[in-house]
Amino acid sequence: GAGVSQSPSNKVTEKGKDVELRCDPISGHTALYWYRQSLGQGLEFLIYFQGNSAPDKSGLPSDRFSAERTGGSVSTLTIQRTQQEDSAVYLCASSYNRGEYSPLHFGNGTRLTVT
Amino acid sequence: AQKITQTQPGMFVQEKEAVTLDCTYDTSDPSYGLFWYKQPSSGEMIFLIYQGSYDQQNATEGRYSLNFQKARKSANLVISASQLGDSAMYFCAMREGGSQGNLIFGKGTKLSVKP
Repeated sequence: GAGVSQSPSNKVTEKGKDVELRCDPISGHTALYWYRQSLGQGLEFLIYFQGNSAPDKSGLPSDRFSAERTGGSVSTLTIQRTQQEDSAVYLCASSYNRGEYSPLHFGNGTRLTVT
Repeated sequence: AQKITQTQPGMFVQEKEAVTLDCTYDTSDPSYGLFWYKQPSSGEMIFLIYQGSYDQQNATEGRYSLNFQKARKSANLVISASQLGDSAMYFCAMREGGSQGNLIFGKGTKLSVKP
């Protein structure tokens, strides 16, 4: 597809379970970003990939969160032992590069609800 | 200190009138990009307009224009001839040249267009 694709669009899980969120960026985009948006709030930066490497993981909220990117394309964000405070919309974005003049293009997000 | 400040949590505008959404920013990086995104109730983040720190002219994109005042560090979004479909959250964001390229977002302004 032409845009950033995220799956699933909605995920309801029980507290304590693991979840995996997927992001397929725009073809040719080397930079990929994960953000989290809680209800009625702004966007919280989680992690950034340039190619397959994530130079800075300090934005991840806890060690229950991890992310990887393979083949310079698809990325997965994994949340282990989910907690209710993890409920949010998780947005993925990609850009041609990490330069300041390239806009980020966002997917439609995954709405995660932890019950 | 906040890097992006949007002082208007909510704004109302009459249909067909123009509206200005305020954004101020703080950076010591000489090279940066400023972006505006629209987020309707459906949740998607839609890229609207971009302004580079070295651009001499204000950016325009259809009914959107960016009033860039570099000395005042402001990048206000002007929407002309408002339409009902413009009702949404609007986020101002910045990318700094010396950074890893993640977008830093303001807290957003909720725009409501009245018929």
